[in-house]
Amino acid sequence: GDSVTQMEGPVTLSEEAFLTINCTYTATGYPSLFWYVQYPGEGLQLLLKATKADDKGSNKGFEATYRKETTSFHLEKGSVQVSDSAVYFCALQGIWGNEKLTFGTGTRLTIIP
Amino acid sequence: GAVVSQHPSWVICKSGTSVKIECRSLDFQATTMFWYRQFPKQSLMLMATSNEGSKATYEQGVEKDKFLINHASLTLSTLTVTSAHPEDSSFYICSAAGTSDGEQFFGPGTRLTVL
Repeated sequence: GDSVTQMEGPVTLSEEAFLTINCTYTATGYPSLFWYVQYPGEGLQLLLKATKADDKGSNKGFEATYRKETTSFHLEKGSVQVSDSAVYFCALQGIWGNEKLTFGTGTRLTIIP
Repeated sequence: GAVVSQHPSWVICKSGTSVKIECRSLDFQATTMFWYRQFPKQSLMLMATSNEGSKATYEQGVEKDKFLINHASLTLSTLTVTSAHPEDSSFYICSAAGTSDGEQFFGPGTRLTVL
């Protein structure tokens, strides 16, 4: 079945540091890939997504590229801020739409001033 | 963007009682709704998928008689935790899908504490 393997946390970085959170997946066909963010005390919010190979999703300075050859969707940001402290989830969705999401375990990110 | 609400946002109940959680899509018609459970510092685990007017499809290991799901309209799904016990304490999150690209929109979650 489908699965998502995500870099374990927690991750602690200083403000303005470069961020990478690794995510790899196993799925049949060409799933859609997502990064969700969960701020303290809040629900999940879609951060970015990519629906086909070589697509790059981007939002709020975060980027991730759908790499079919390495089955990866790593999240990156060039300069993190304290406000980026949150839990980040990588997820995939099957090809037929309205399908369930399969989530990674989540990575807790803490940015210190 | 599409908005999904959940009510209540938190609830405390006694062991043995039943609790109902509502999930509403406020500005779109949700043909499919999903219910997840999240344990502290862990990922979301899908409990069940419900399509409007149909019986919910439960994931393996989820007791359908304990977690009753109803999706009676295109904007409302409910999760009822029957005869709740302390081990049912958790964060319950719903999501709704219904737009053309199948994107899921998440509710803010409901924290259930069973004493």
